[in-house]
Amino acid sequence: AQSVTQLGSHVSVSEGALVLLRCNYSSSVPPYLFWYVQYPNQGLQLLLKYTSAATLVKGINGFEAEFKKSETSFHLTKPSAHMSDAAEYFCAVSDANQGGKLIFGQGTELSVKP
Amino acid sequence: DAGVTQSPTHLIKTRGQQVTLRCSPKSGHDTVSWYQQALGQGPQFIFQYYEEEERQRGNFPDRFSGHQFPNYSSELNVNALLLGDSALYLCASSPRDDPTYNEQFFGPGTRLTVL
Repeated sequence: AQSVTQLGSHVSVSEGALVLLRCNYSSSVPPYLFWYVQYPNQGLQLLLKYTSAATLVKGINGFEAEFKKSETSFHLTKPSAHMSDAAEYFCAVSDANQGGKLIFGQGTELSVKP
Repeated sequence: DAGVTQSPTHLIKTRGQQVTLRCSPKSGHDTVSWYQQALGQGPQFIFQYYEEEERQRGNFPDRFSGHQFPNYSSELNVNALLLGDSALYLCASSPRDDPTYNEQFFGPGTRLTVL
């Protein structure tokens, strides 16, 4: 069975600092991996996805993530945090055999201090 | 181009009642999935509809049922509501030309409160 673990339910950074949100996955087949962002009282917006192409994936708003098979990780990073990045971030896993069923982590709330 | 739309935005029901939530997929999408997001949790997969049939189902009781119409829109029905059904219900649609249906576009959700 597939699963996702997000380390740290809350992460706080200063504006301009590096953002690092951690995600580890478990999958018996090559996974597809996703990061979604959720702003208060809104749905989920796709930041980026890994689907077995390049291991370093660039997404919207300056975010990127690196797929590391040996570490079963897909951590999300951004070099310089903006106040507008404050939101809830979810890592999710799927595979081609699941036909699109996404398994989500518990989420990490990112706070950005001025 | 309108994205995924859901109605209503908010809903308050009492225990034992029945509720219907609605979703219109993004233009060009034919697959609709429903997720339940309890407060402080990640979304959990309820089921997925394709060609008007339930294709996959998560670990949810039969009280949760759905339907997809010929125009690809979908409904989620929940019978005999429990307090624990209070959550944000998210609809997601997938593009017709994605054979793995892995890129899902989410709607804003319906906030259901059961009293």
